[in-house]
Amino acid sequence: DQQVKQNSPSLSVQEGRISILNCDYTNSMFDYFLWYKKYPAEGPTFLISISSIKDKNEDGRFTVFLNKSAKHLSLHIVPSQPGDSAVYFCAAVYNFNKFYFGSGTKLNVKP
Amino acid sequence: NAGVTQTPKFQVLKTGQSMTLQCAQDMNHNSMYWYRQDPGMGLRLIYYSASEGTTDKGEVPNGYNVSRLNKREFSLRLESAAPSQTSVYFCASSVEGPNNEQFFGPGTRLTVL
Repeated sequence: DQQVKQNSPSLSVQEGRISILNCDYTNSMFDYFLWYKKYPAEGPTFLISISSIKDKNEDGRFTVFLNKSAKHLSLHIVPSQPGDSAVYFCAAVYNFNKFYFGSGTKLNVKP
Repeated sequence: NAGVTQTPKFQVLKTGQSMTLQCAQDMNHNSMYWYRQDPGMGLRLIYYSASEGTTDKGEVPNGYNVSRLNKREFSLRLESAAPSQTSVYFCASSVEGPNNEQFFGPGTRLTVL
């Protein structure tokens, strides 16, 4: 049973608008949550993370929100750029080494 | 700095053959990981090593063995490959710190016929 789920396999957004990617999890023991970005034929690259004791973390155009009561995580990208087009994975970790990844959302930012 | 390197990039095996996927990192990280990525499944953790000399099972360890040869290198071995092991394999290493940021290699695309 998947502990981390991304229910939207794809998302299409106009350049300059906001992209919102969502992630749900089931295990309340997760310590950290992370977002990764992946281009074809490359390994994932880290974007942003949030500790389970916080509800928001911001880094430039990227903001991650955590709603622990709903076991829900979201990544906001504002403004979206064509170079943001990629697959985005959310991940959750507990015991600092056990990582669980969602199945990914493919973001397409249209010029 | 090469970061995380993986060899080979591509491999085709016949059912029952064995092979070892190599991974090395030059960032002096303590923790290293092996994942597989299948369509629609995201990345699933096979094994990890929190430090040199230790290894632990992840979510999908069956059919695999690992060796943490030293701090830099973490190898994944398939003793008797099966078609179900056709996948893209990623190695990663991680920083110890609040972000738990992992750095990934470029992946090995393995096909088992």
